[in-house]
Amino acid sequence: DQQVKQNSPSLSVQEGRISILNCDYTNSMFDYFLWYKKYPAEGPTFLISISSIKDKNEDGRFTVFLNKSAKHLSLHIVPSQPGDSAVYFCAASDGNKLVFGAGTILRVKS
Amino acid sequence: ETGVTQTPRHLVMGMTNKKSLKCEQHLGHNAMYWYKQSAKKPLELMFVYNFKEQTENNSVPSRFSPECPNSSHLFLHLHTLQPEDSALYLCASATRLTRGGNTEAFFGQGTRLTVV
Repeated sequence: DQQVKQNSPSLSVQEGRISILNCDYTNSMFDYFLWYKKYPAEGPTFLISISSIKDKNEDGRFTVFLNKSAKHLSLHIVPSQPGDSAVYFCAASDGNKLVFGAGTILRVKS
Repeated sequence: ETGVTQTPRHLVMGMTNKKSLKCEQHLGHNAMYWYKQSAKKPLELMFVYNFKEQTENNSVPSRFSPECPNSSHLFLHLHTLQPEDSALYLCASATRLTRGGNTEAFFGQGTRLTVV
């Protein structure tokens, strides 16, 4: 049973445009959500997070939106840059563990 | 450099071998995790340790045996693995997660395991 789902395996975006990565979860006990970025041959690195008491968190070019009623979150990257090309993982925490989605490969074309 | 170190980076082992993966962090974290990443699959949580106590075993086969001797070290002992166990094994550490807590996990670079 996959509790965190990233239904788009890949996304291709032109440089300078917006990248939107989506994530859905099923477990209502999750109350903290994170996005990680992963380059080949490296471990995932933390990007941005959001607590369930908020619906938006912004950090520079990165914004995460949370819709609790829909159990959905998204990561917006504006403007997208070629260096953003990586695998992006959504993760959710229930206070004991972090559960990850399958990841979305983002390719930013110059 | 995330402060979480995994060794070895690459490992090839036969199905009858016994080997161990090591993870070390000196970040003062007290939660440590083992994850498995297979091709085209989510990062799969295997084990969770909080304050050296195992608090999660995500239905992992007994051929994988974790050990957490102290809050800075985590091992994954491997015995009689199968070829389908070949994957990237990632260790992560975090300050202990709490409900609504704002902490992130830091990952090591992983061990690429190939079982032949």
